[in-house]
Amino acid sequence: ETGVTQTPRHLVMGMTNKKSLKCEQHLGHNAMYWYKQSAKKPLELMFVYSLEERVENNSVPSRFSPECPNSSHLFLHLHTLQPEDSALYLCASSQSGGLFRRPGAAFFGQGTRLTVV
Amino acid sequence: RKEVEQDPGPFNVPEGATVAFNCTYSNSASQSFFWYRQDCRKEPKLLMSVYSSGNEDGRFTAQLNRASQYISLLIRDSKLSDSATYLCVVNRDDKIIFGKGTRLHILP
Repeated sequence: ETGVTQTPRHLVMGMTNKKSLKCEQHLGHNAMYWYKQSAKKPLELMFVYSLEERVENNSVPSRFSPECPNSSHLFLHLHTLQPEDSALYLCASSQSGGLFRRPGAAFFGQGTRLTVV
Repeated sequence: RKEVEQDPGPFNVPEGATVAFNCTYSNSASQSFFWYRQDCRKEPKLLMSVYSSGNEDGRFTAQLNRASQYISLLIRDSKLSDSATYLCVVNRDDKIIFGKGTRLHILP
């Protein structure tokens, strides 16, 4: 519906598991984002990719590893997570600003609700 | 100091009333400004962009004051369906930062 799709929608994983979250955007944007939203907390920016280069890594633990193979796809690889990592993980995309254009708004996928047990 | 600050509320407002939200941002290099709406357990959705010249969309009016680094949202004739969390957002060089949000409850 929004042009950004995330899979899976729900994920339960053990602390020793390795899993990956996938995001795909069909909006022709050139910037993609991972956000984390814990219960009753604001959105926390985790990673930003602009033109397929990582431009922001917001002090995220190394157990979260992003990958952006092209401007339409974004992954978040997870390993040895902790229970406090349980949250809603949201992917978004936007159009980067340019010389004569302001950067655009972010459009979100529906998120992956992650539970670490 | 947080980059985007909002009053968390909640605002409890009777149906039909006018409600105003404010937001301040700390980085004068911020380039684009937006209001989003987030319903419980859903993803944020873009409500409207915000410009210095003002922006109106039906019952919603947004305004940016660059000198004061202040963003506002006005909702007129509020409806029950307006109950949600409203997020103030700035974009600076593709770093999109969200405020904590202001919770709005419209009362019947």
